[in-house]
Amino acid sequence: NAGVTQTPKFQVLKTGQSMTLQCAQDMNHEYMSWYRQDPGMGLRLIHYSVGAGITDQGEVPNGYNVSRSTTEDFPLRLLSAAPSQTSVYFCASSPRQPPYEQYFGPGTRLTVT
Amino acid sequence: GESVGLHLPTLSVQEGDNSIINCAYSNSASDYFIWYKQESGKGPQFIIDIRSNMDKRQGQRVTVLLNKTVKHLSLQIAATQPGDSAVYFCAEPFNNDMRFGAGTRLTVKP
Repeated sequence: NAGVTQTPKFQVLKTGQSMTLQCAQDMNHEYMSWYRQDPGMGLRLIHYSVGAGITDQGEVPNGYNVSRSTTEDFPLRLLSAAPSQTSVYFCASSPRQPPYEQYFGPGTRLTVT
Repeated sequence: GESVGLHLPTLSVQEGDNSIINCAYSNSASDYFIWYKQESGKGPQFIIDIRSNMDKRQGQRVTVLLNKTVKHLSLQIAATQPGDSAVYFCAEPFNNDMRFGAGTRLTVKP
């Protein structure tokens, strides 16, 4: 199993540009989530999904959209990038909704100029 | 709101010594905690978890202690190795979320 994969690994955007961060898992996990990690602030939940077709907002959802058309894929879309969205983004999956351990991808480092 | 926090942002230990990483939580209703390890440039990796009906749980070279009276959690790493150098997070499930502390950076000196 590849586990949780994320692409791209690095990305630089200009303010106002849009893009999609890709996330896929091959463990048949129902629960998937997106976090952002900023220095000194730990991981913060952006959006999550408890199964295909079902998504919900986390702690910091503004400026981001998600969809879950399949169990495997959970892309994160930045609608109009802002410098405040400069961060490292992690996708995670879990066999069930927390409380339960999660499996994290390697991350995408995004810089918005 | 309630959150999970860590006592120290950095910890430096000698190779072979034991390491203790601490975590304080404020929600007395929390019934489950997880420790994650994050190496540089990688995503967090599950280490060990503990439920509130336990005081102690042991894994391979790691032990988690839970003191519900003072709402304190600790991760002990025995015979710390260079490969243990990483940031360690405690995490607390909250509704449909996981709340993570800011992390403690463990550095192992040879």
